[in-house]
Amino acid sequence: EVQLVESGGGLVQPGGSLRLSCAASGLTFSSYWMTWVRQAPGKGLEWVANIKQDGSEKYYVDSVKGRFTISRDNAKNSLYLQMNSLRAEDTAVYYCARDPTPYFPDYFDYWGQGTLVTVSS
Amino acid sequence: HSALTQPRSVSGSPGQSVTISCTGTSSDIGGYNSVSWYQQHPGKAPKLMIYDVNKRPSGVPDRFSGSKSGNTASLTISGLQAEDEADYYCCSYAGSCSLVFGGGTKLTVL
Repeated sequence: EVQLVESGGGLVQPGGSLRLSCAASGLTFSSYWMTWVRQAPGKGLEWVANIKQDGSEKYYVDSVKGRFTISRDNAKNSLYLQMNSLRAEDTAVYYCARDPTPYFPDYFDYWGQGTLVTVSS
Repeated sequence: HSALTQPRSVSGSPGQSVTISCTGTSSDIGGYNSVSWYQQHPGKAPKLMIYDVNKRPSGVPDRFSGSKSGNTASLTISGLQAEDEADYYCCSYAGSCSLVFGGGTKLTVL
């Protein structure tokens, strides 16, 4: 059974940093694109970033470019999101998700339960 | 990329059919056959319902179907059931390995 478990969320002040983790099990982690999607309270889903199987390619939504960094450790079956210079508008539940397509990002068939990030003073 | 456009809400009675539209541009929906749909119940993670415009993952009832015409994709739910009441989001590949979601549609089963 595929499981994705996020951790690392919490309360942080504006301008602060946080590192999210996503532990994967039940899948050959190194075979898949992985993605972070967020959802602000009461709002819709927003694609944040994704990373290719070997970590050689990373892509971001414009609003987080230069502030967030996605990475992965295939030996540890783990996905990460380093978030710096956090703003109030980054407050959201952050989900990690698996993309089963091999060549380019397409859709997400497994999702974690999410971890809440709150940016507030 | 701007978010795809979905109606904020739709409703239908049990047994009826409803269709949720998702409008984008030639740079996303119109340019690729990579449209997916997700169902989200309150407090839960999204669940994949349709991928690649009209394909259903195993376990998703065949009451759920997807289609696309030009820059607009659609999700149709036939034979509405109470458990279908949820938020629904479309998503499209938008080029350069980026994706874009719609704003979401709240489905109410009357």
